[in-house]
Amino acid sequence: GAVVSQHPSRVICKSGTSVKIECRSLDFQATTMFWYRQFPKQSLMLMATSNEGSKATYEQGVEKDKFLINHASLTLSTLTVTSAHPEDSSFYICSARPLGGVQETQYFGPGTRLLVL
Amino acid sequence: GNSVTQMEGPVTLSEEAFLTINCTYTATGYPSLFWYVQYPGEGLQLLLKATKADDKGSNKGFEATYRKETTSFHLEKGSVQVSDSAVYFCALSDGGYQKVTFGTGTKLQVIP
Repeated sequence: GAVVSQHPSRVICKSGTSVKIECRSLDFQATTMFWYRQFPKQSLMLMATSNEGSKATYEQGVEKDKFLINHASLTLSTLTVTSAHPEDSSFYICSARPLGGVQETQYFGPGTRLLVL
Repeated sequence: GNSVTQMEGPVTLSEEAFLTINCTYTATGYPSLFWYVQYPGEGLQLLLKATKADDKGSNKGFEATYRKETTSFHLEKGSVQVSDSAVYFCALSDGGYQKVTFGTGTKLQVIP
């Protein structure tokens, strides 16, 4: 089946630094990728939707200057957490919709756990 | 707005026990409903889905029926196995749009 990878799987960084998380669709092309955030014992919250070659659409309350999303190719999207702070510590999950896929089909990555000290 | 509420876990069952994980939703219009499963160290995988009222989704022995009158989509399995241990997420997608709203997830642990 379709596989989505994320790198890194875990990252620890100091407050004030920036962290980049990669999301790749390994065996399919993805027109749309989604970025979610999950706090402990809470549901996945959609942060933004990115389409290849265009600007990402951010959900209400998500700071676009803090969470930079780039979808430069049909197989890669990146999320950069800029000037990270401890409250940004969370589990970040991406998903990808295949090119020509059914509207509601998404394949999820395994997630990246970010800890900001 | 849309929301999904599912029972808190963890749920611990013995092998071959009957499983029910409750899920209710709030949505405008006629959403599609999903159950996703996340095995340890892996990404979420679609387990089953139903797109209209009274539809029953099924896969790998799991079933869930879209109940519009009670706005529910409870997950059931007649006989669980150790390999079913995972986190289960109930979710909905409002028709015609790509946004998926998730519940908080329910961790299932099946012991031999």
